[in-house]
Amino acid sequence: EPEVTQTPSHQVTQMGQEVILRCVPISNHLYFYWYRQILGQKVEFLVSFYNNEISEKSEIFDDQFSVERPDGSNFTLKIRSTKLEDSAMYFCASGPGTASYEQYFGPGTRLTVT
Amino acid sequence: AQTVTQSQPEMSVQEAETVTLSCTYDTSESNYYLFWYKQPPSRQMILVIRQEAYKQQNATENRFSVNFQKAAKSFSLKISDSQLGDTAMYFCAFMKHDLTRLTFGEGTQLTVNP
Repeated sequence: EPEVTQTPSHQVTQMGQEVILRCVPISNHLYFYWYRQILGQKVEFLVSFYNNEISEKSEIFDDQFSVERPDGSNFTLKIRSTKLEDSAMYFCASGPGTASYEQYFGPGTRLTVT
Repeated sequence: AQTVTQSQPEMSVQEAETVTLSCTYDTSESNYYLFWYKQPPSRQMILVIRQEAYKQQNATENRFSVNFQKAAKSFSLKISDSQLGDTAMYFCAFMKHDLTRLTFGEGTQLTVNP
C-alpha cells in the first residue's frame, strides 16, 4: 500500500541553523501539507500546497519557513534560522484531491533545536 | 475560523467494552469534512474514520463508528469491542470543502485496560 515517507526521522540542529525536512508524498496525490506537533500538544497546520503554489498558510508559517516541490516526487520544508521553539514533530501529509478528500500522514520528523 | 473541541483529555475502558469519545466543532461552513485520527506512542497519525457533512448516514469502519449531529455540531467516535491496540491519543479534525487545512482538537488519550 502506498505511503507517505519522511526523512530524516530525527534531526538535531543548533539554534540559528537552517534545516530542510524532506517528504515523498503518495505518487498520484495532488495536495500536500505540513503540520507540526509540539510535544504534548495538538497538531497544528503550517501550510498547504497545490498546483505548485501555496494554497493556504497559517500564522505560524512566517518568513522563516518555505516549501518547495523541486521535482515530481519530493516536497520539502525549509526553516531558515531555527529557534528553540521550533523543536517539534513535523508531519507531511498528502491527499488525492478531487477523487477523495482524505489526508494521509507520513511518520514525522522529530526536530530538536539546541 | 473553525475550532474543534475535545472535552475529555483522558478516558479509559476495559478490554472488549465500548467507549465513546466526544468532539464538537464550530464553523459557519455548510459543506465540510470531519475525521478521527489515532496517534499511538509511535506518534504516527493514522486515519480512523471520515464523514462528509452532506451525508446524513453515520460512517462506520469495522469496530469504529461515528454519531454525527450536524445541527448540534457534534461528531463523537464510538469504539466497540475495545482492544489493547486501541490505546492511543485520538484527535478529532475538521476540514473545509476547499481541502486546504485540517483543524485538530486537543486530543483524548484513551487507555484500554486488560
